[in-house]
Amino acid sequence: DAKTTQPPSMDCAEGRAANLPCNHSTISGNEYVYWYRQIHSQGPQYIIHGLKNNETNEMASLIITEDRKSSTLILPHATLRDTAVYYCIVRVAQGAQKLVFGQGTRLTINP
Amino acid sequence: DGGITQSPKYLFRKEGQNVTLSCEQNLNHDAMYWYRQDPGQGLRLIYYSQIVNDFQKGDIAEGYSVSREKKESFPLTVTSAQKNPTAFYLCASSIRGDKHYEQYFGPGTRLTVT
Repeated sequence: DAKTTQPPSMDCAEGRAANLPCNHSTISGNEYVYWYRQIHSQGPQYIIHGLKNNETNEMASLIITEDRKSSTLILPHATLRDTAVYYCIVRVAQGAQKLVFGQGTRLTINP
Repeated sequence: DGGITQSPKYLFRKEGQNVTLSCEQNLNHDAMYWYRQDPGQGLRLIYYSQIVNDFQKGDIAEGYSVSREKKESFPLTVTSAQKNPTAFYLCASSIRGDKHYEQYFGPGTRLTVT
């Protein structure tokens, strides 16, 4: 599975959009981008995934660049409850169902 | 309510003792996983199982053992051979197959060995 690079920490004001970047320059054609988040001392929570098209669900939007070497997770109206560590993971959709978690981005939403 | 339960939330053991962490799911998922998390770090895969009576080693299986006798249960034993057992242990489950899926995580067990 391809390696990802994320900034270690970010801050965002409550009510504003939080944009979390992820670089995955070695991504292969059959690898998807997944995002999970982990609120302090809890288990991670799935947010969204995508291959090459932009995706949106009730939690967030995922923007993947045309060359697929980077992506951005967007939380449109961040709340204090969005404070968490966000993990960007790249993996194939089939085969061993292993998620490789890096250190992620610690997002702090400020009032 | 469907979900994954892990018990206990906090566990304390003396060095040299084996300890078994419980993980139960009622989501009817075939696949189950065990991860370990150290402070400030991401998760690392210990073992995973895609079907009853079958499991595979993950990246850091040494010093751990698992069993998968029932679909809903995947207990993890931390043996005395594990050199640094103090950590946050997370269990997860998912559907099995060549499709997109999300892994559902339990609340975790924080193990402290002194």
